[in-house]
Amino acid sequence: DGGITQSPKYLFRKEGQNVTLSCEQNLNHDAMYWYRQDPGQGLRLIYYSQIVNDFQKGDIAEGYSVSREKKESFPLTVTSAQKNPTAFYLCASQVGGGGANVLTFGAGSRLTVL
Amino acid sequence: RKEVEQDPGPFNVPEGATVAFNCTYSNSASQSFFWYRQDCRKEPKLLMSVYSSGNEDGRFTAQLNRASQYISLLIRDSKLSDSATYLCVVRENSGYSTLTFGKGTMLLVSP
Repeated sequence: DGGITQSPKYLFRKEGQNVTLSCEQNLNHDAMYWYRQDPGQGLRLIYYSQIVNDFQKGDIAEGYSVSREKKESFPLTVTSAQKNPTAFYLCASQVGGGGANVLTFGAGSRLTVL
Repeated sequence: RKEVEQDPGPFNVPEGATVAFNCTYSNSASQSFFWYRQDCRKEPKLLMSVYSSGNEDGRFTAQLNRASQYISLLIRDSKLSDSATYLCVVRENSGYSTLTFGKGTMLLVSP
């Protein structure tokens, strides 16, 4: 079954620690995205990548970092510089250019910083 | 600033009711429009794309009014399983980074 796998599903960390969220897709999609969702808020774009070894900042990139060494993988690191890291993180992918192409989401990772 | 505004919720309706959600977008250059459904603590899933002429998928009908920059979603004969948050999503152009999500409208269907 093709899809997007995010891990871990739940993650608890102490303040000041970096954490890395995994995102793997076997849909052969070119573009991958990371979004953050807070209660009562719309999804906000953190980073996106159109091709391997290339990525761009989204609207709220501060305190986050990504890499895209393989087409299938787009891990997100939440660094200690991120002021309010507790949130629901969603990875998504898309087959190609924008337009009418739709996003497919992973099941999400819920990060809680204690 | 690009904005997508949705009806505040929640909408509480009985089974079998018809319910309509509205969405307005600020950028007149927006090209593509979608409705996603998000269950509690789950990921969003595509419900339907919205086409210029309007489109229907079973009990769901989506309409687009470009002149008024307005999108709607109509759900007929509501089921308990329709309870979820409905997200209005707008893409400005063919670029990768230009999806804007509304905050969503929660629907609660009761027996």
